[in-house]
Amino acid sequence: GAGVSQSPSNKVTEKGKDVELRCDPISGHTALYWYRQSLGQGLEFLIYFQGNSAPDKSGLPSDRFSAERTGGSVSTLTIQRTQQEDSAVYLCASSLRLAGGGTDTQYFGPGTRLTVL
Amino acid sequence: GQNIDQPTEMTATEGAIVQINCTYQTSGFNGLFWYQQHAGEAPTFLSYNVLDGLEEKGRFSSFLSRSKGYSYLLLKELQMKDSASYLCAVRDPMRWTGGFKTIFGAGTRLFVKA
Repeated sequence: GAGVSQSPSNKVTEKGKDVELRCDPISGHTALYWYRQSLGQGLEFLIYFQGNSAPDKSGLPSDRFSAERTGGSVSTLTIQRTQQEDSAVYLCASSLRLAGGGTDTQYFGPGTRLTVL
Repeated sequence: GQNIDQPTEMTATEGAIVQINCTYQTSGFNGLFWYQQHAGEAPTFLSYNVLDGLEEKGRFSSFLSRSKGYSYLLLKELQMKDSASYLCAVRDPMRWTGGFKTIFGAGTRLFVKA
């Protein structure tokens, strides 16, 4: 596909369960970002991958959150022991990440709406 | 600390002009973005400013003053479809990794009325 894809589009889970959210970035994009957006709120940065460099995990809200990116492409965000406050839309974005920055436009996927009951 | 401020909501009339302001305080600066987000959809890129001045793109223009930590998005000839949230975002270099982090404001919800 031409754009960023995410799966599932919706996920309903029970408190305490683990969930995995998947992101397929645009082919050739070296940078990948995860954000969280609660209802009516802005985007909260979670984690950033750039090529083979160590990811910037500074936005992860707790140690229940982790993410990996395999082969520099697909990424999985894992939330362990989910809590009700984890309910939000989780957005993934990718960018070409040109040397020196440049426009470096982020292209967003449609998001995964997570509901923790 | 990192802080990006923009008004929560604005209302304007179809055919009019509206200016959405954004002020920022970040540890570093490597560009400012404006994104549009319709309800229930992902954000889409509108504009990018890295140097002071005005960037014009059709009905949309974006202005940046780095010395004032200030930007605005100007929308002309408003249409009903422009009703959306407008997100201001600043790219902050991460000196210890050589990468960049994009910090988003909470967004301004624009309502266009007939």
